[in-house]
Amino acid sequence: GQQVMQIPQYQHVQEGEDFTTYCNSSTTLSNIQWYKQRPGGHPVFLIQLVKSGEVKKQKRLTFQFGEAKKNSSLHITATQTTDVGTYFCASGGYQKVTFGTGTKLQVIP
Amino acid sequence: KAGVTQTPRYLIKTRGQQVTLSCSPISGHRSVSWYQQTPGQGLQFLFEYFSETQRNKGNFPGRFSGRQFSNSRSEMNVSTLELGDSALYLCASSLEGGRAQNSPLHFGNGTRLTVT
Repeated sequence: GQQVMQIPQYQHVQEGEDFTTYCNSSTTLSNIQWYKQRPGGHPVFLIQLVKSGEVKKQKRLTFQFGEAKKNSSLHITATQTTDVGTYFCASGGYQKVTFGTGTKLQVIP
Repeated sequence: KAGVTQTPRYLIKTRGQQVTLSCSPISGHRSVSWYQQTPGQGLQFLFEYFSETQRNKGNFPGRFSGRQFSNSRSEMNVSTLELGDSALYLCASSLEGGRAQNSPLHFGNGTRLTVT
């Protein structure tokens, strides 16, 4: 079945530093979504990418979908303590959304 | 609009018992998916329902089952509980279903199940 790997598994950054998480698949993805789960919370949808090479921005967050549609990245500029949480990429298949393994971000004030 | 509601929030059961979890989707959403979340395995897909029909199922034993009612509310049942079933069970609703291209998932707060 479809597997989506994310790296790194954990990341500690000093507040103000940048952060990037990568999502990789061995197969071509039809689309990619990104979710954020705060500690003790549930995953919350952030954004969806569909087109090859697509780049979308949300304030300090930049999302990219690879040209081959096999990878994606989420980059956060100048992290803040409110960015703490686990970031998941996810890809839709036939009546099923498969989630990546997640990257847990810790921000040190 | 009210979000996805899951009940109960917490549950403690003993091995061998069975449990039923409930999920009320966002009004108008016809698809309900269930996920198991554990620290070691991340978010694992259990099954997806759309218009009372199970359309897809993950790699879980037959002890895990579910159903969806005509009002789109869904229940999940786990029989003969094992210690390894301890997890956060998340329900997510969406408009179109599992094809992420069409509609994102909206998650409930989850049910934290502890099996002792």
